[in-house]
Amino acid sequence: GAVVSQHPSWVICKSGTSVKIECRSLDFQATTMFWYRQFPKQSLMLMATSNEGSKATYEQGVEKDKFLINHASLTLSTLTVTSAHPEDSSFYICSAYGTGGFYEQYFGPGTRLTVT
Amino acid sequence: GNSVTQMEGPVTLSEEAFLTINCTYTATGYPSLFWYVQYPGEGLQLLLKATKADDKGSNKGFEATYRKETTSFHLEKGSVQVSDSAVYFCALFNNDMRFGAGTRLTVKP
Repeated sequence: GAVVSQHPSWVICKSGTSVKIECRSLDFQATTMFWYRQFPKQSLMLMATSNEGSKATYEQGVEKDKFLINHASLTLSTLTVTSAHPEDSSFYICSAYGTGGFYEQYFGPGTRLTVT
Repeated sequence: GNSVTQMEGPVTLSEEAFLTINCTYTATGYPSLFWYVQYPGEGLQLLLKATKADDKGSNKGFEATYRKETTSFHLEKGSVQVSDSAVYFCALFNNDMRFGAGTRLTVKP
């Protein structure tokens, strides 16, 4: 089946630094990728939708200048958390929607970010 | 807008008990409906799906029927096992994916 990977799986950074998270579709081309944020014991919150070669569409309340998303190829999207603060600590999950034309997403295993 | 309301947990059952996790949705048009499962320490996995009204999704003994008249997609399993302990998310896809809050299920031997 389709596999989506994320790197790193966990990261600890100091407040004020930036962190980049990669999301890759390993065996299929993903025209659309989604980025979610999951707080402990809560549901996934959609942050943004990224389409290959175009600007990401952010959900209301998500700061586009803080959470930079780049979808430079059909197999890679990156999320950069800029000037991270402790409140940005969370579990970030990406998913990829293939070109097969069916309404199904494949989820990455997630990246746990801790900002100290 | 599109949204999913899911039964709050946590739910604790004994092995072989019957499971129901309620899920209702609000959406324009004709969304696809999903149940995802998240085992401890792992990412989300698709459990089952239904893409149109009256469709029944099933997998690993779990079932859910897409009921347009009641805008529901309740998850059921006749006999749960300890290995079913996980968090279950109901989700809707209508241009993008919306998730319910998740229901934590614990099955005791």
